[in-house]
Amino acid sequence: EDQVTQSPEALRLQEGESSSLNCSYTVSGLRGLFWYRQDPGKGPEFLFTLYSAGEEKEKERLKATLTKKESFLHITAPKPEDSATYLCAAVNSGGSNYKLTFGKGTLLTVNP
Amino acid sequence: DVKVTQSSRYLVKRTGEKVFLECVQDMDHENMFWYRQDPGLGLRLIYFSYDVKMKEKGDIPEGYSVSREKKERFSLILESASTNQTSMYLCASSGQIGNQPQHFGDGTRLSIL
Repeated sequence: EDQVTQSPEALRLQEGESSSLNCSYTVSGLRGLFWYRQDPGKGPEFLFTLYSAGEEKEKERLKATLTKKESFLHITAPKPEDSATYLCAAVNSGGSNYKLTFGKGTLLTVNP
Repeated sequence: DVKVTQSSRYLVKRTGEKVFLECVQDMDHENMFWYRQDPGLGLRLIYFSYDVKMKEKGDIPEGYSVSREKKERFSLILESASTNQTSMYLCASSGQIGNQPQHFGDGTRLSIL
């Protein structure tokens, strides 16, 4: 069974204090790894897709990387507006190829 | 930009009522999804549709049904609402499974009293 585990569950940073969020996955034949941001009371907002080990994507203060077993979301010099829950999800290349397996998310709080 | 619109942000219904949640996407996506999101349980797939009138069960289909009569519209139906169906319901759409991300609406916060 596919599994996605995110750590830590919650992370509190000071503004400007860089850190990383982890997403470990066990998926038979990874077809894609997705990162989302979710603000309270809203739906997840798509950030990145990663397809193969070694791939990296960047957007403003965020950079996502992928290895064969995990993905990292690096946050450089975060600002309070980066506070949100960050979700990762994986899709396999097997029979039920529609199904995204989601992690439970990391709640990031950035204090001014 | 992809836009997925859910008909209600907040909804309060009574036990035993039949409840309809509506979702519309404007990107001509083949695939549409319904999830529920609960604290500590994350996002769980209820139903999925890959074409008009086609549907597949997700992880937790019991107590729900869906309808897709037009490509842009996907409805979730709670046949007889129960209190354990109080949740945040999220609709999503995507163009191609696995290669393209799912794009989500802002959700419907449903309370069953």
